[in-house]
Amino acid sequence: AQSVTQPDIHITVSEGASLELRCNYSYGATPYLFWYVQSPGQGLQLLLKYFSGDTLVQGIKGFEAEFKRSQSSFNLRKPSVHWSDAAEYFCAVGAGGSQGNLIFGKGTKLSVKP
Amino acid sequence: DTEVTQTPKHLVMGMTNKKSLKCEQHMGHRAMYWYKQKAKKPPELMFVYSYEKLSINESVPSRFSPECPNSSLLNLHLHALQPEDSALYLCASSQRPGSGSGNTIYFGEGSWLTVV
Repeated sequence: AQSVTQPDIHITVSEGASLELRCNYSYGATPYLFWYVQSPGQGLQLLLKYFSGDTLVQGIKGFEAEFKRSQSSFNLRKPSVHWSDAAEYFCAVGAGGSQGNLIFGKGTKLSVKP
Repeated sequence: DTEVTQTPKHLVMGMTNKKSLKCEQHMGHRAMYWYKQKAKKPPELMFVYSYEKLSINESVPSRFSPECPNSSLLNLHLHALQPEDSALYLCASSQRPGSGSGNTIYFGEGSWLTVV
């Protein structure tokens, strides 16, 4: 069965430090992978997505993610975190098919300290 | 423009009330979704409308009744809810149904529902 694991429930980084949020997926075919961000009290905003091609994808707000098939991973990175990046981050895999849904990880909460 | 608009932003209702949540998109998307999100949890799919027809109902209680009047609008009618139904309700849309084959699901800002 398809699944997404985000091993870190809560991460705290200092402003200006680099960030890597981990995501591992389990999916039999070629995965369609997404990262969404949810600021407190807000909806989900798409940060970036991977469908095919270049395994390093660029997103909004300076984020990037790298697809590694051998490790079944799609980790999110940012070289320098800003205080406004504090939010909940969800990794998701597209379950595929005409009625396929998004399968979300449990999320990682990012706190940024000054 | 990838905007999904939801109203109201906040709703407080009693257990005997009837209310509705509304969602609108003007991106020409032909699939629309309702998700429910409890605190500190990921969103959970409730309903999928595909080309204005209900295609997925994830065993949602009948006190939640979705409606898709046209390709741009999606409603969620609420009646006789329970306090445990209090949550963030997210509307989403995509160009076509499903999350595979390069299809991206875009979410609205959500409607916060409190049942008292």
